Amino acid sequence: ETGVTQSPTHLIKTRGQQVTLRCSSQSGHNTVSWYQQALGQGPQFIFQYYREEENGRGNFPPRFSGLQFPNYSSELNVNALELDDSALYLCASSLVQGEETQYFGPGTRLLVL
Amino acid sequence: QKEVEQNSGPLSVPEGAIASLNCTYSDRVSQSFFWYRQYSGKSPELIMSIYSNGDKEDGRFTAQLNKASQYVSLLIRDSQPSDSATYLCAVNTGNQFYFGTGTSLTVIP
Repeated sequence: ETGVTQSPTHLIKTRGQQVTLRCSSQSGHNTVSWYQQALGQGPQFIFQYYREEENGRGNFPPRFSGLQFPNYSSELNVNALELDDSALYLCASSLVQGEETQYFGPGTRLLVL
Repeated sequence: QKEVEQNSGPLSVPEGAIASLNCTYSDRVSQSFFWYRQYSGKSPELIMSIYSNGDKEDGRFTAQLNKASQYVSLLIRDSQPSDSATYLCAVNTGNQFYFGTGTSLTVIP
């Protein structure tokens, strides 16, 4: 167990809807990153938050947005869901930016119909 | 060209053998390197991190890094059936982690 938790574990939405996924970081970790992992692929970086500010973003459209709260928990919001958004969404926390190891939560599996 | 490339496998080895997993990366400014293991339906779990050229050993696992060749490898000695999983190579360029697509390993009893 890494101490990183995510909710919900599974979610089914329909195309065009909006979804919010949540993550609680490991105690003491102030950096959180979000990843999308499609079936058979490696995790793809969505964005990273450090002390409530976005600190890097991968090649994802603006309908993917996030927040980090003062207690370092985080949300990933996806608007206008598309079928291709179906994937495992992973949250990873780390102590500091840069080289520090990332520890993953169990993930949220999203299915868009 | 992908930032991190791995052979997708599948790689099959008999129990007790050495499994060798390889990874190349494209960004020369990459600072730190990681191997994660992912069981089917689960999230990645960290096996090893390596920051300097050379070998780093942890139990049955040895990570090797060659920055000049932009190459990272993972050796698993005395492979066990419980090692059967997908192994992900990850590279940190400073503010972003890049993952390979993973190599599927099966250890045959």
